[in-house]
Amino acid sequence: QKEVEQNSGPLSVPEGAIASLNCTYSDRVSQSFFWYRQYSGKSPELIMSIYSNGDKEDGRFTAQLNKASQYVSLLIRDSQPSDSATYLCAVNGNNFNKFYFGSGTKLNVKP
Amino acid sequence: DADVTQTPRNRITKTGKRIMLECSQTKGHDRMYWYRQDPGLGLRLIYYSFDVKDINKGEISDGYSVSRQAQAKFSLSLESAIPNQTALYFCATSPGQSYGYTFGSGTRLTVV
Repeated sequence: QKEVEQNSGPLSVPEGAIASLNCTYSDRVSQSFFWYRQYSGKSPELIMSIYSNGDKEDGRFTAQLNKASQYVSLLIRDSQPSDSATYLCAVNGNNFNKFYFGSGTKLNVKP
Repeated sequence: DADVTQTPRNRITKTGKRIMLECSQTKGHDRMYWYRQDPGLGLRLIYYSFDVKDINKGEISDGYSVSRQAQAKFSLSLESAIPNQTALYFCATSPGQSYGYTFGSGTRLTVV
């Protein structure tokens, strides 16, 4: 079992809709969770972090964490074509010194 | 200038050659990492370092070695390159345990 699992997609949503991206992880002691956005051919860019159960909002982005169910999600409201990218979920490992990445979900926002 | 700089950006090398990928940063972060990215496999950790005297193996260190020449510099070497080391390589830095990474722009390596 992989430490971090994501649906590879592609997830297609129309412009203006809510995009919902999901990630599950295997290590119950994980404490730090991140979402990165990666445009094709570019490096990952950190967009959200979350550490506690519940929701964390930043502009059009909301990260949701449920440690009991071991999943973390990212909601993108009012999706724009410029949001089209691959979104990577990262979770810290059991020694907290390194992060495991999911393989990413490709999001396509159609104009 | 970029906070995390990787050189070269692209490299084609032959099987059996030794190659070094370099990473330098101006973030002042102690923690530096090398990852490789392959389609469908995501980012996998090769080596990481928390200071110049601290080097740790990641998930896939076989065939690779690293050198932390200074707080700001962390190099990755492929001692004898093989075709399945063809990948996109990223250097990343972090200020601490609970912080996200800043990635370099990547090195696309092709081994023929």
